[in-house]
Amino acid sequence: AQTIHQWPVAEIKAVGSPLSLGCTIKGKSSPNLYWYWQATGGTLQQLFYSITVGQVESVVQLNLSASRPKDDQFILSTEKLLLSHSGFYLCAWNPGDWGAGGQDTQYFGPGTRLLVL
Amino acid sequence: AQSVTQPDARVTVSEGASLQLRCKYSYSATPYLFWYVQYPRQGLQLLLKYYSGDPVVQGVNSFEAEFSKSNSSFHLQKASVHWSDSAVYFCALSMTSGSWQLIFGSGTQLTVMP
Repeated sequence: AQTIHQWPVAEIKAVGSPLSLGCTIKGKSSPNLYWYWQATGGTLQQLFYSITVGQVESVVQLNLSASRPKDDQFILSTEKLLLSHSGFYLCAWNPGDWGAGGQDTQYFGPGTRLLVL
Repeated sequence: AQSVTQPDARVTVSEGASLQLRCKYSYSATPYLFWYVQYPRQGLQLLLKYYSGDPVVQGVNSFEAEFSKSNSSFHLQKASVHWSDSAVYFCALSMTSGSWQLIFGSGTQLTVMP
C-alpha cells in the first residue's frame, strides 16, 4: 500500500525567514505529485505539480518554489516568508498512469501547518 | 473557465437526519468529479468519485452522490448522519483533456447535532 508523509507537522516561522517543506511517497513508483495551499477556513489552491524527477510546473506561485529531487520526494520552499504564506500545506499524489493527463484521483497527505509571524 | 460552486458554507443537521450537500460545476464537457472530507487539522480523504456511467455513485461510510449533466451538479447525500460526520466537505473537478489541475469548491462545514 502507498503511504504519503509530510514534514514537519507544523512550523512557526518569522517573516523573512526561509522555509522548506517536504513530502515523500512510498509504495508507488513515478507518481504525479502536487502541492496545495489552504488558508485557514478556506479552499484548496493547487500550487505546483510534477510528473517526473526534475520537472515541476507552477500553477500559482505565491512567491514559493518547488523541486522534485527524487522520484518519491517533493519539496516546497522559499527564501523569504511572507505573512500571507501562513496556512495549511498539503501534498498529494496520483498514479500517473493516465497518459496525457493527471485526472485520476488524488490522494492527500496529512499536511503541514505553517504560521508566519 | 472551469469552476466548482458549493453554495452552502455551513450546514447543520440533527443526528439521524438525512443530508444533502450541494455542488455545481462549470465545464464544457463531462468532468471527473470528487467529494473529499476534511476532519479538523487533517488532510483530505476521498469519499467518492465519478468518472462515467451510472450517475449515482456509492462511497465510503454510506455516502453517495448523484451526477446530473443537465443540472451541472454533483450533490452528496447520506440517508442518516452521525455526529462523527461533522467535518468540512469539498467537491472537486478534474478536467478530462490532459489537465493536471484539480479544482476545488469552497467547502461546506457540516455540523451534526446530537
